[in-house]
Formats: sequence, C-alpha cells, structure tokens
Amino acid sequence: NAGVTQTPKFQVLKTGQSMTLQCAQDMNHNSMYWYRQDPGMGLRLIYYSASEGTTDKGEVPNGYNVSRLNKREFSLRLESAAPSQTSVYFCASSPTGQDYGYTFGSGTRLTVV
Amino acid sequence: SQQGEEDPQALSIQEGENATMNCSYKTSINNLQWYRQNSGRGLVHLILIRSNEREKHSGRLRVTLDTSKKSSSLLITASRAADTASYFCATDAGGGSYIPTFGRGTSLIVHP
Repeated sequence: NAGVTQTPKFQVLKTGQSMTLQCAQDMNHNSMYWYRQDPGMGLRLIYYSASEGTTDKGEVPNGYNVSRLNKREFSLRLESAAPSQTSVYFCASSPTGQDYGYTFGSGTRLTVV
Repeated sequence: SQQGEEDPQALSIQEGENATMNCSYKTSINNLQWYRQNSGRGLVHLILIRSNEREKHSGRLRVTLDTSKKSSSLLITASRAADTASYFCATDAGGGSYIPTFGRGTSLIVHP
C-alpha cells in the first residue's frame, strides 16, 4: 500500500545508546517531518525537511539529528538516548504547498530505560 | 507551544448521536486541518479548511471556521462505534509558515 513506512515499530534502548529511526514514503512528496507524541502533549515537531537536501529544526530538536537521504527517505537519529526521549515517534510527508494534509506513518514506540 | 487547543478533552456519546468538538487558536492562520487517530495508530487527515472558507463537508463530517473568533468546529453526524478515536486540529502560524502545530486532541468514545 502506498504511504509512509516507519521502522522499527517498537524499540527499547538503554540510556546512552544510539539508534536511527527510519522513514520512507512512496508518494513522491517533497516535504517530510518527524513528530513526537507524549501523553497529554499532542504532537510536537522535531525536525522537518521541506525538500530534498534541506532540513530545519522544529519545536523540540535537542538530542536529535536528521538526514534526508533522498526524496523518499528521512531518518531520525538519537545519538545518546535519554529517558526523556521515551515517546511515540511519527514520520509524516506532504506535497509542497499549503493546501495539502499530511500522511502519517504508523509510528515507532520508543522506550529508554 | 501549541497553537490550537481542542475542547472538550473527552466526549462520550451513543451511536447515532452527533459529536461536536471545537478548536481555538491564537494567531492568524493560512489553513486549519482536522485529523483522526485511532488507538495505537498514526494520524489520518480528515479535512483541510482554508482561512477564506467558512464551512466544508466530507461525508458525515462538517467543519466550520470562524476567523474572527479564531475557532473551528468539527461535527460528526450520526456517529458510529468506529468513530471512536482521538481528533486533533492542526493550525499553521500564518504568513509564510504552513507547517501545522497540533493541539492535544479530543478523545471521542461512541458507545454501541
């Protein structure tokens, strides 16, 4: 099915470990986004990529890095995981322009112990 | 910071009833979007309404936008148990910014 694919779906890390969350879309969208969702906080933007070759910080970028590998793929890296990064992470994509909704992946549930 | 805030936080109704949830925001916007999230799943885009539009329909969904009051409402008519989900509004910051900020959501439970 066309859409946004995130891997892995679940992950448990120890404090200080690193990992990369993968995201790929097959809709030829230019823009891609990483959000985190915490209970009672809604979704908060971590980083986004308006087009291939560009990335920008969102509301909560500290502790994360991103790579727009190509038009299809946008990865999120935690260099040294902390318990505060325990969350559900969502990747989304959209066409360029203001009149389009986002297509979301099914999420990665990350626990840092 | 969150631009949009949904109200109520939780809503419980019987199948067949209408469900109304509201979203208020603080600054001028280009557009406002509504999303649905089933438990443990990603968000699904429902409707986008532009700042120069007042009402939009999609199936059993009706969205209104009042820019003078900086508020929007989502009406789901003839609710079904399958409508049980969390509903989020998302607003951009207006001007050249089109990246939406999400509210905390309304949790809707529809009892069969």
